[in-house]
Amino acid sequence: KQEVTQIPAALSVPEGENLVLNCSFTDSAIYNLQWFRQDPGKGLTSLLLIQSSQREQTSGRLNASLDKSSGRSTLYIAASQPGDSATYLCAVIRRSAAGNKLTFGGGTRVLVKP
Amino acid sequence: DAGITQSPRYKITETGRQVTLMCHQTWSHSYMFWYRQDLGHGLRLIYYSAAADITDKGEVPDGYVVSRSKTENFPLTLESATRSQTSVYFCASSLWDRNEQYFGPGTRLTVT
Repeated sequence: KQEVTQIPAALSVPEGENLVLNCSFTDSAIYNLQWFRQDPGKGLTSLLLIQSSQREQTSGRLNASLDKSSGRSTLYIAASQPGDSATYLCAVIRRSAAGNKLTFGGGTRVLVKP
Repeated sequence: DAGITQSPRYKITETGRQVTLMCHQTWSHSYMFWYRQDLGHGLRLIYYSAAADITDKGEVPDGYVVSRSKTENFPLTLESATRSQTSVYFCASSLWDRNEQYFGPGTRLTVT
């Protein structure tokens, strides 16, 4: 069974500092990994999708890396801003004979202090 | 407006009542999903659908029923609501099952 873990569960940084969010998964047989942002009381916003054949993906201040062999992904957010405060979730699509499913980590709650 | 929408956004119902949560997407995505989000459990898949008239169980399907007569709609029905079904429900869609999933704004359901 695929398990996805995000550590730490919460993170507080001063504005301007770079954010490093970690995601680990137990089964490397994945199709892709997706990072989401969730604001309080809101839905999930897709940030980045990394295919299993890729090592990283970039969008603006966001950069996500993927190391399938070690079962890890890292989301980097450069020069953090108070507006980056949110919960960040990673999810992997794993291969399954019963159909490909998305398995979520528990999330990292980020607070960027002005 | 294009995208994925859910209704109602908030719902309070009593134990034993039937309630249906609606999900509608305008992208003609093949796949649609229902998740529930609970403290301590994160997001868990309830049901998913690969196309119209094709549905399958996810991780926590008990107590829920789905249908998909049209590609754009994927309603979730709680046949006899229980307090344990108090949760936030998210609908999502993707072009295919390996593609990026897009989520709706969620429905907060309270069962009293």
